[in-house]
Amino acid sequence: DQQVKQNSPSLSVQEGRISILNCDYTNSMFDYFLWYKKYPAEGPTFLISISSIKDKNEDGRFTVFLNKSAKHLSLHIVPSQPGDSAVYFCAASKRGNQGGKLIFGQGTELSVKP
Amino acid sequence: KAGVTQTPRYLIKTRGQQVTLSCSPISGHRSVSWYQQTPGQGLQFLFEYFSETQRNKGNFPGRFSGRQFSNSRSEMNVSTLELGDSALYLCASSLVSGATNEKLFFGSGTQLSVL
Repeated sequence: DQQVKQNSPSLSVQEGRISILNCDYTNSMFDYFLWYKKYPAEGPTFLISISSIKDKNEDGRFTVFLNKSAKHLSLHIVPSQPGDSAVYFCAASKRGNQGGKLIFGQGTELSVKP
Repeated sequence: KAGVTQTPRYLIKTRGQQVTLSCSPISGHRSVSWYQQTPGQGLQFLFEYFSETQRNKGNFPGRFSGRQFSNSRSEMNVSTLELGDSALYLCASSLVSGATNEKLFFGSGTQLSVL
């Protein structure tokens, strides 16, 4: 039962253009969402998060949008840079979380071409 | 401040053997979680420890176990290894346990190969 889904395993964009990574979830109890970025041979690093009481959160080139009615969130990277090439995971946390348990999607590998 | 440290980085074992992985959290962090990453499956939650107590457990068989020591360091053990246990095992630490908006800090992982 995949509660968090990233349906695109890979995405390729040109440097300077916008990258849009998508994530869908099924559990309406999720109330906090995060995006992590992972380079090969390294652990995931936190990128940006959003609470379910908001529909947008921005941090520099990164913006996360949340559409609760559609149970969908997206990560926008503008402008994309070659250094953004990595695997991006979305993750969700639910109300009453007993701790340490984030539900992750399968990841989307982003490739930014110079 | 040192990050999350996992040892060893790489491990090769054969079926039926057991393995122990180690994790040292960020100084001051008392919660340690373990995740398994396999291609196409994302990160699957194994368990979480806080103050030497297991607080939460994922859907893995009993062959997967863990513990946490008084200095917050944690170990994960897998007994009777199977080929399907080949994966990257990631440890993550956080300051507290149970907060909805908790942010996890991950180590670089231990790549386990079972032959």
